[in-house]
Amino acid sequence: DAKTTQPTSMDCAEGRAANLPCNHSTISGNEYVYWYRQIHSQGPQYIIHGLKNNETNEMASLIITEDRKSSTLILPHATLRDTAVYYCIVRGIISGGYNKLIFGAGTRLAVHP
Amino acid sequence: KAGVTQTPRYLIKTRGQQVTLSCSPISGHRSVSWYQQTPGQGLQFLFEYFSETQRNKGNFPGRFSGRQFSNSRSEMNVSTLELGDSALYLCASSRTGPDTQYFGPGTRLTVL
Repeated sequence: DAKTTQPTSMDCAEGRAANLPCNHSTISGNEYVYWYRQIHSQGPQYIIHGLKNNETNEMASLIITEDRKSSTLILPHATLRDTAVYYCIVRGIISGGYNKLIFGAGTRLAVHP
Repeated sequence: KAGVTQTPRYLIKTRGQQVTLSCSPISGHRSVSWYQQTPGQGLQFLFEYFSETQRNKGNFPGRFSGRQFSNSRSEMNVSTLELGDSALYLCASSRTGPDTQYFGPGTRLTVL
């Protein structure tokens, strides 16, 4: 299974951009990078995913390096409600089946006033 | 479109009992996966059902089982409950295979 490495915790000031890094050096060619977040004791919330190209939606942007060994999730203007645990997941058939998500410990993002 | 729903949201059981949790996927979604979340082990994959068949299974004992109905709704059952089964049980649905999974709010199970 492709493993991901994320910092344990990060801080961000409200209104500033939050940049959350993720290393996935063993990713295979057909594996996607997914980001979810979990606000205390709620179900994980899907944020964004990508294969090779950078992606943007109403919640965030995902920047994937050209060699695909790492990526960065960007929350452009963090708010207090973005305080959560953010999970970077590599997903694909090589990971054990498309619908078997393997969660790591994630990054605990604290947004402060 | 309604999201994934799980019932009940909270449950308290005693050791040795069994429990059944229910999950209704997003309309049109045929794949349902179950996960267990505990403070010690984090989020772990239990199993996945697609078209009423178990398609994938995690590393959990046989006390954990599930099924899926023709309308894609799914149930998971835990028999002979142990204290360590206290956890947040999460259900996620997706349309088919390589598709984004969306999670429900979870069922908080406490075993006394």
